[in-house]
Amino acid sequence: EVQLVQSGAEVKKPGESLKISCKGSGYSFTSYWIGWVRQMPGKGLEWMGIIYPGDSDTRYSPSFQGQVTISADKSISTAYLQWSSLKASDTAMYYCARQMNTYGYLSYFDYWGQGTLVTVSS
Amino acid sequence: QSALTQPASVSGSPGQSITISCTGTSSDVGSYKLVSWYQQHPGKAPKLMIYEVNKRPSGVSNRFSGSKSGNTASLTISGLQAEDEAEYYCCSYARRGTFVVFGGGTKLTVL
Repeated sequence: EVQLVQSGAEVKKPGESLKISCKGSGYSFTSYWIGWVRQMPGKGLEWMGIIYPGDSDTRYSPSFQGQVTISADKSISTAYLQWSSLKASDTAMYYCARQMNTYGYLSYFDYWGQGTLVTVSS
Repeated sequence: QSALTQPASVSGSPGQSITISCTGTSSDVGSYKLVSWYQQHPGKAPKLMIYEVNKRPSGVSNRFSGSKSGNTASLTISGLQAEDEAEYYCCSYARRGTFVVFGGGTKLTVL
């Protein structure tokens, strides 16, 4: 059974750093893209970026480029999303999801993690 | 403002059919058969309902169907049931460095 299990909720202060995780199981972790999606309170889904754990090829949405860092450790089948200096506006639910590649293009998300709630408040 | 435009809300009575539209541009929906649809219940992670415009994943009811014409994709739900009440999001591949775009979401209310 394919599963993506994310790390638990975080409460941080502005300016602090944070790294959240997404552990895959039940499939070949290195053979599928893992994407990150933000959902701010009461708002819609936003695609942040993606990583291919097999070779750590990473792509970012222009909206998130330079704001976050996506990485992966294939030895433990885990992808990460990190911030070096959090802002209150980073308060959101963050989902990881396995993203398929169709005809060489990034396509649909077939499996999702349960989400990690990040709260940034002074 | 989201890259793909969806109606904020739609509603229907049990047993009826509804359609949710998703309008993009020639840089995304119009150029690729890579539209997907997700259902999200409150407090839950999104769930894939339709991929590659009109394909249904295993386990998704055949009451859900997808289509596309030009720059607009559509999700149709037939035989509405109370459990279909949720938020629905469309998604598409987009060129020019954006890669992936979502719609703003549509709240479906089953009356």
